[in-house]
Amino acid sequence: DGGITQSPKYLFRKEGQNVTLSCEQNLNHDAMYWYRQDPGQGLRLIYYSQIVNDFQKGDIAEGYSVSREKKESFPLTVTSAQKNPTAFYLCASSIGTLAKNIQYFGAGTRLSVL
Amino acid sequence: GESVGLHLPTLSVQEGDNSIINCAYSNSASDYFIWYKQESGKGPQFIIDIRSNMDKRQGQRVTVLLNKTVKHLSLQIAATQPGDSAVYFCAENTGGGNKLTFGTGTQLKVEL
Repeated sequence: DGGITQSPKYLFRKEGQNVTLSCEQNLNHDAMYWYRQDPGQGLRLIYYSQIVNDFQKGDIAEGYSVSREKKESFPLTVTSAQKNPTAFYLCASSIGTLAKNIQYFGAGTRLSVL
Repeated sequence: GESVGLHLPTLSVQEGDNSIINCAYSNSASDYFIWYKQESGKGPQFIIDIRSNMDKRQGQRVTVLLNKTVKHLSLQIAATQPGDSAVYFCAENTGGGNKLTFGTGTQLKVEL
């Protein structure tokens, strides 16, 4: 079964706590992305990675961190510095070519603050 | 309580009718566009894409039209079905690379 797997589906964070969201893909894609979605809004890019051991900030990177140690994995850490973390988090991947950039998405993780 | 967010534009259609969802994009340098469908509580699902050297592309029951003069994109769904009910997003890619910019979305409601 190929695709993008995000876990957990639901996550709760206590104040001052860091939490890590998992994203794994078996599509052999080079590029991976993290987006945040708030109710009634579009997707906003947090971080993206075009290749292993390299990543760039997106439009709303403050309060988040990522790593890309393996091609298939791109975990996102929501740090205590992110004061409004409640949102739906989506991970995506793409082949990473310049000619075509369909991004395929996981099922998402819904993060709430206790 | 529930946080207040923006209210999505909503399109209501009768089952069997055709739907047209519109999107205005911002960057005249954008050269690649994608339409996604997102059902409640799920991740966006790819529907159809189009490059800037085309003005129309057809898929199964869907057609995307691109008007670069007015920076407008539309998604037409033929014979709309209850399973088409979802939020539809357009996304634009500027000058190659991997970054997409997403619109705010349109809620499609199919009435029986």
